[in-house]
Amino acid sequence: AQSVAQPEDQVNVAEGNPLTVKCTYSVSGNPYLFWYVQYPNRGLQFLLKYITGDNLVKGSYGFEAEFNKSQTSFHLKKPSALVSDSALYFCAVRAFTSGGSYIPTFGRGTSLIVHP
Amino acid sequence: DTGVSQNPRHKITKRGQNVTFRCDPISEHNRLYWYRQTLGQGPEFLTYFQNEAQLEKSRLLSDRFSAERPKGSFSTLEIQRTEQGDSAMYLCASTLSGGEADTQYFGPGTRLTVL
Repeated sequence: AQSVAQPEDQVNVAEGNPLTVKCTYSVSGNPYLFWYVQYPNRGLQFLLKYITGDNLVKGSYGFEAEFNKSQTSFHLKKPSALVSDSALYFCAVRAFTSGGSYIPTFGRGTSLIVHP
Repeated sequence: DTGVSQNPRHKITKRGQNVTFRCDPISEHNRLYWYRQTLGQGPEFLTYFQNEAQLEKSRLLSDRFSAERPKGSFSTLEIQRTEQGDSAMYLCASTLSGGEADTQYFGPGTRLTVL
């Protein structure tokens, strides 16, 4: 079984400050890891993913995430937050197994609020 | 714009009625997924297709739910005898297998309200 935990329901940060949205995962074997963002009344938009290789992944809108295998974490970061980054962020995991399921498991989401 | 479209965007129905939603994926994508999302939760997997074949269904999926993808292009999700607990956002996503390692592109969703 695979699972994702986003331990914070809400993250508050001032505009211009760095932000971190936390994600930990549990999966058998090597993981594929994803971050998505959801704006109100919209579907999810892909931000970035980790498959293999460099542990630091860069994605859309200046976001990046660091894969840490020993801590089973994939935290989302941005050096300088913008008010427009305020949205709901979802972490997802899928096990990389030959012939296995292609179904990702999503976390419950973290609401990011960036204050002017 | 992700290129995945869903119709209708909103549906209000009375308990016991049947509803059908449509998803049009990105044209070259061969995998199509349906998810349900309720307030405060992430997307919950319902079922997925590779081309026209339905390969996997969630064990949580009631037999009142059925999905089709008859020609490997658009897909429909039908809910029969709707219940108030079916009220949720229904999301569709598509991806190209063997392409960008399963990056799923989501549609805007259909919000269902069962009265």
